[in-house]
Parts: sequence; C-alpha cells; structure tokens
Amino acid sequence: DSGVTQTPKHLITATGQRVTLRCSPRSGDLSVYWYQQSLDQGLQFLIQYYNGEERAKGNILERFSAQQFPDLHSELNLSSLELGDSALYFCASSLGTSGGTGELFFGEGSRLTVL
Amino acid sequence: GENVEQHPSTLSVQEGDSAVIKCTYSDSASNYFPWYKQELGKGPQLIIDIRSNVGEKKDQRIAVTLNKTAKHFSLHITETQPEDSAVYFCAATSSGGYQKVTFGTGTKLQVIP
Repeated sequence: DSGVTQTPKHLITATGQRVTLRCSPRSGDLSVYWYQQSLDQGLQFLIQYYNGEERAKGNILERFSAQQFPDLHSELNLSSLELGDSALYFCASSLGTSGGTGELFFGEGSRLTVL
Repeated sequence: GENVEQHPSTLSVQEGDSAVIKCTYSDSASNYFPWYKQELGKGPQLIIDIRSNVGEKKDQRIAVTLNKTAKHFSLHITETQPEDSAVYFCAATSSGGYQKVTFGTGTKLQVIP
C-alpha cells in the first residue's frame, strides 16, 4: 500500500459528460502529480501541484483542469469527454521538497471508460 | 526541459538470463534517477534509485549504473524470473524548491519460463 488513495477505481460514462477524479496523497506529502496512461502507453504527465500551487504543466488538454486543496488532496476534472479520454489516470505524491528522497508514490489509478 | 529516452520498448528474455534497459537524459541539473516497476493493473512502484554522486547501486538481483558525463543510466536485472515480467519506467528528477520528474516511455519486459 503506497498510502495514496484514488477514487473512484472505475468509472464508466458517456461522451460529452464531465467527471471528477479524486486523490488523497500520502500523509505529509506536499506534491501531487497526475498522469494519464492509455492502453499499452507510457505515463503522460498532466500536471503537478505543490502545496496548493500549480508547479508544472504537461500535455493537459484545455478540457481538463485540476486543483489541490488546502488539505492537500487533489481533484482532476475532465469535461466534454471523448472516446479517446478513456485511460487509466494515476495520481502520485511526494514530499516535494529538496529534503525529500524524490520517490513518487503512486495510487492504484482510476480507470475511465468513455462510451 | 528535461527529455528522457528509454530503450528498448519491449524485451523478451529466457528465465535465468539477464535483462538490461537503458535511458538517456538531457538536463544536467537532474540528480536523482529512479526506476519504477508497473505490474498489470497496478500503479508504478519504485524498485531502485541512484543519485548523481554515485556511479552504481545494487540490490540483490537488480543494479543500476549512472554515467553522468554521457547522461545515461541503465537497469540490470540478473537471473530473471517470471515475476520480473512487467513494464519498467526510468525517470530523471531535478530537485530544488520542488521536484520535477520526467519519465521514460517504458519497457515491457517478458520473462519466458
């Protein structure tokens, strides 16, 4: 158990809909990362937050948005869903400071299926 | 920004043989290089890491080497077993006020019994 909790584990929805994926980082971790992994693909970096502030942005579509709340949990919002958005979405956390080991702790992922 | 290339994308080995996966990075500011193993249906998990002040690190059947001058690092798995079958990702991390992590594209390792 990595200590990172993601909900829901599975989600099936229709095109055009909106969903929210939730992530609770490991206790004490300040940095949260979101990754998208399509079938047999690598980890596509979406966005990183550190202590509530956006720190880095990757290949995140404009239809997607995220935030990190004061209690450090994070949410990834996906709107106007398309078939191609079907993927496994991972959240990872780390201490995020130079005092940390640098290791990322991944959740089990949220599998999104868009029909 | 940082760019990490990983090869090969797939690798099949006979049980008991060795497997080597190689990565190169572009940003000389990167100073932490972890390797993650992703089993089917699970999130990636750290298996070994190396920092820029070390050239080699070993943990039982797994070893990682780092060549800072050439900006490349490699994962070596000896005496492979079927349970080593998974997708392996390398990553390069630069530290500072916050950590920026760049992953390689992954290597699907199949160990044939």
